[in-house]
Amino acid sequence: AQSVTQLGSHVSVSEGALVLLRCNYSSSVPPYLFWYVQYPNQGLQLLLKYTTGATLVKGINGFEAEFKKSETSFHLTKPSAHMSDAAEYFCAVSVISSGSARQLTFGSGTQLTVLP
Amino acid sequence: SQTIHQWPATLVQPVGSPLSLECTVEGTSNPNLYWYRQAAGRGLQLLFYSVGIGQISSEVPQNLSASRPQDRQFILSSKKLLLSDSGFYLCAWNGPGAGGHSYEQYFGPGTRLTVT
Repeated sequence: AQSVTQLGSHVSVSEGALVLLRCNYSSSVPPYLFWYVQYPNQGLQLLLKYTTGATLVKGINGFEAEFKKSETSFHLTKPSAHMSDAAEYFCAVSVISSGSARQLTFGSGTQLTVLP
Repeated sequence: SQTIHQWPATLVQPVGSPLSLECTVEGTSNPNLYWYRQAAGRGLQLLFYSVGIGQISSEVPQNLSASRPQDRQFILSSKKLLLSDSGFYLCAWNGPGAGGHSYEQYFGPGTRLTVT
C-alpha cells in the first residue's frame, strides 16, 4: 500500500526566503507524485506532478519539486517566498484501484505561513 | 475546457436532517468522480469514488451514501446527519489521459457543511 508523510505540519518563512516543504512516500511500484495547494475555503489546485521522465519538475507560481527515488522523497521548493504563497500544501501519490480508478493518497498537509 | 461545480457552497443543517450535495463536471466524458471530506484541522479523507454511472465504491463505512445518476453528476447524501458529519466536502474528477484516465485529480470549490 502507498503512503505519504509530510514532515512539519506548520512551516514559517520570511518573505523572500527559500520555501522547502518535505514529502516522503512509500510505494511498491514506481509512483506518480503530486503537489496541491489549498487556499482557505477553496478546493485544491494542482501545483505540479511527476509521472515519468525528468526528475525535476516545474509547476505554477514558481514552485518546483525533485523526485529522488533513492530517498523516496518529493520535496517542494520555491527560491523566494511571496506573501501570496501562504496556504496549505498537500503531497499525494497515485495508486491504481479497481477498474480505471486512479486514487490519490494524500499526506496530512503543511500549512505555510509567510512572514513580512 | 473542463470545469467542476459543487453546490451549495455552504450549508447549515440540524442533527438528524437529510443531506444532498451535488457535483457536476463539464467538458469531459466518462470521468472518474470522487468525494472527499476535510474535517477541521485534518487532511483529506476519501469517502466514495465512481468509475461510471451507477458504480459506487465506498472507502469508509459511515452515515453517508453516494450516487451517480448521470455520467457527469455525483451526489453525496445522508438520511440523518450527525454532528461528526461537519466538514468541508470536496468533489474531484480525473479524465482521459495517456494510457487511460489521467492520474491527477481536479477539485471543485467545495461545500462547507456545519451540522448544529
